[in-house]
Amino acid sequence: EADIYQTPRYLVIGTGKKITLECSQTMGHDKMYWYQQDPGMELHLIHYSYGVNSTEKGDLSSESTVSRIRTEHFPLTLESARPSHTSQYLCASSDSGLTMGEQLSYEQYFGPGTRLTVT
Amino acid sequence: KNQVEQSPQSLIILEGKNCTLQCNYTVSPFSNLRWYKQDTGRGPVSLTIMTFSENTKSNGRYTATLDADTKQSSLHITASQLSDSASYICVVSAMARSQGNLIFGKGTKLSVKP
Repeated sequence: EADIYQTPRYLVIGTGKKITLECSQTMGHDKMYWYQQDPGMELHLIHYSYGVNSTEKGDLSSESTVSRIRTEHFPLTLESARPSHTSQYLCASSDSGLTMGEQLSYEQYFGPGTRLTVT
Repeated sequence: KNQVEQSPQSLIILEGKNCTLQCNYTVSPFSNLRWYKQDTGRGPVSLTIMTFSENTKSNGRYTATLDADTKQSSLHITASQLSDSASYICVVSAMARSQGNLIFGKGTKLSVKP
């Protein structure tokens, strides 16, 4: 089982509040990711990081921001929550990659997720 | 456009029966294909990962197949158990996406009934 943790697991909050979703991993992985998943839908990458002080936006536009000050920690912040932000947020991390022939394969390990509801 | 399509959308089977889930993809250039199991309210857990040179891989009662020519994969579950009830997600990685970004299918929701 992967050592990647997310808190809180569930959060109900009012519109306009600032929130931070926490994600920590103890595997020493350089790469970390944030995904957003609506019920019955596919995961969409919203942020990723290759290492400390490295952050990039993913495929899905998001009003959230992330930071990577420590290798093990990758928090996601919403400055002003809105009902449209209601979703499940999944954090993941990956190792440097397994060599498979001439290709690199990055095994991603997911946290349990945070279910966010903005009222 | 890179896409991953899964079928069926949902499936109900009786405990002990076998089932097969399908995945078609249009991702190019192809790097690898993964199957994940996602329990309700939890994060996905990897079951198998295959490159284009592999056409089958097993993990206990789970067997994945890959046909890189037709761009199809299947996940076969043998002797299903109640704990197999979950969403099964097909995920494809494109070779150019070296940062580890993955293209996710919407998943097949499997319900195993006693």
